[in-house]
Amino acid sequence: QVQLVQSGAEVRQPGSSVKVSCKASGDSFKSYVFSWARQAPGQGLEWMGGVIPLFGTPNYAQKFQDRVTITADESTRTVFLELSSLRSDDTGIYYCARDQAGEPYIFAYWGQGTQLTVSS
Amino acid sequence: EVVLTQSPGTLSLSPGERATLSCRASQSVSGSQIAWHQQKPGQAPRLLIYGTSRRVTGIPDRFSGSGSGTDFTLTIFRLEPEDVAVYYCHYYGNSRGTFGQGTKLEI
Repeated sequence: QVQLVQSGAEVRQPGSSVKVSCKASGDSFKSYVFSWARQAPGQGLEWMGGVIPLFGTPNYAQKFQDRVTITADESTRTVFLELSSLRSDDTGIYYCARDQAGEPYIFAYWGQGTQLTVSS
Repeated sequence: EVVLTQSPGTLSLSPGERATLSCRASQSVSGSQIAWHQQKPGQAPRLLIYGTSRRVTGIPDRFSGSGSGTDFTLTIFRLEPEDVAVYYCHYYGNSRGTFGQGTKLEI
């Protein structure tokens, strides 16, 4: 059974960085697409980017291209999202997700979400 | 970049009725890469439908997806109180992703 367990809530000051983790259990890790999306308070979902651990080269949404880094550690079966130059409008819930065989980049399995609060 | 527009923003119906949720893409997309997610209050979203019309295992057959080109629909038959949620369409083609802004379903 596929499970994605994310790290706990974070509070950061504007201008700083945050790194959120997503640990995967279940079947093979390296050949699936792991993606990140976020949700501002009371708002919809926003795709941020994704990575296939086997290849290591991530795709990012243009909006976050300059501030986001997605990486994967096969040894710990963990995917990371790092967001820099934080602003107050980065406050929200950050979700990781994994695709399913034959459907790359689909959000088939979701993590529980990580709350990020950016405030001075 | 594909933009997905969902309508209506909010849908208020009664138990037993049918809900029709629309998702329009800014350009023609491969129907095999349209999905629908359900997000109940305080929960993470979950995948309901992928490939336009393929139900995830365990999702009741009251949920049905259809469409092609730029117009896609999620139909929920025989509404139940547990169907209260926000529903998002999602395009996952071209090694990227985009979500609609969501339709809130009230029962």
